[in-house]
Amino acid sequence: NAGVTQTPKFRILKIGQSMTLQCAQDMNHNYMYWYRQDPGMGLKLIYYSVGAGITDKGEVPNGYNVSRSTTEDFPLRLELAAPSQTSVYFCASSYPDRGGGYTFGSGTRLTVV
Amino acid sequence: AQSVTQLGSHVSVSEGALVLLRCNYSSSVPPYLFWYVQYPNQGLQLLLKYTSAATLVKGINGFEAEFKKSETSFHLTKPSAHMSDAAEYFCAASLSGNTGKLIFGQGTTLQVKP
Repeated sequence: NAGVTQTPKFRILKIGQSMTLQCAQDMNHNYMYWYRQDPGMGLKLIYYSVGAGITDKGEVPNGYNVSRSTTEDFPLRLELAAPSQTSVYFCASSYPDRGGGYTFGSGTRLTVV
Repeated sequence: AQSVTQLGSHVSVSEGALVLLRCNYSSSVPPYLFWYVQYPNQGLQLLLKYTSAATLVKGINGFEAEFKKSETSFHLTKPSAHMSDAAEYFCAASLSGNTGKLIFGQGTTLQVKP
């Protein structure tokens, strides 16, 4: 009964490096999301996907890329990391149902130095 | 633009006192509404949700919230705070046309004093 699994839990990157944040869900949810959480700012949507092969930008997509080759996985790619990308990243999934709400992963805390 | 606003970034109560966390939404069509709780260094957990059935919704850990269309509000309450309630709370809305996608408020940190 894993739900949404995010890896790694913590990471320190140097400016200009790249990395992929992994997200996997085992609930057969169609919809998946990536958010970033910054103090006092709530959660901002980076990218989302409504199914395998379909992705779309959210509110703050610059500096990130995603892919959705399977229903289960939704990795987030950071290219050329910048200090402004220091944040906590959450992956979530849901059914295509307004009333369902999200199931969240436990988050990845990323620091760019 | 449609939005969710939480009034007060920090709320402090004494143990045993009433907890009231405020949430207002802006939408011409009543949305579905959610409250999530986030304990330190953890992800968000669903506390309760409103999906156009009963306007008074009961959730886990003794929390409840009332949907008031006339006030465009969905405030979260608990009659008696416990030390374990200390956490960050997020209000979120699923708006018309955005199937599944949620818009979050800024969050309210609840401090419970002994």
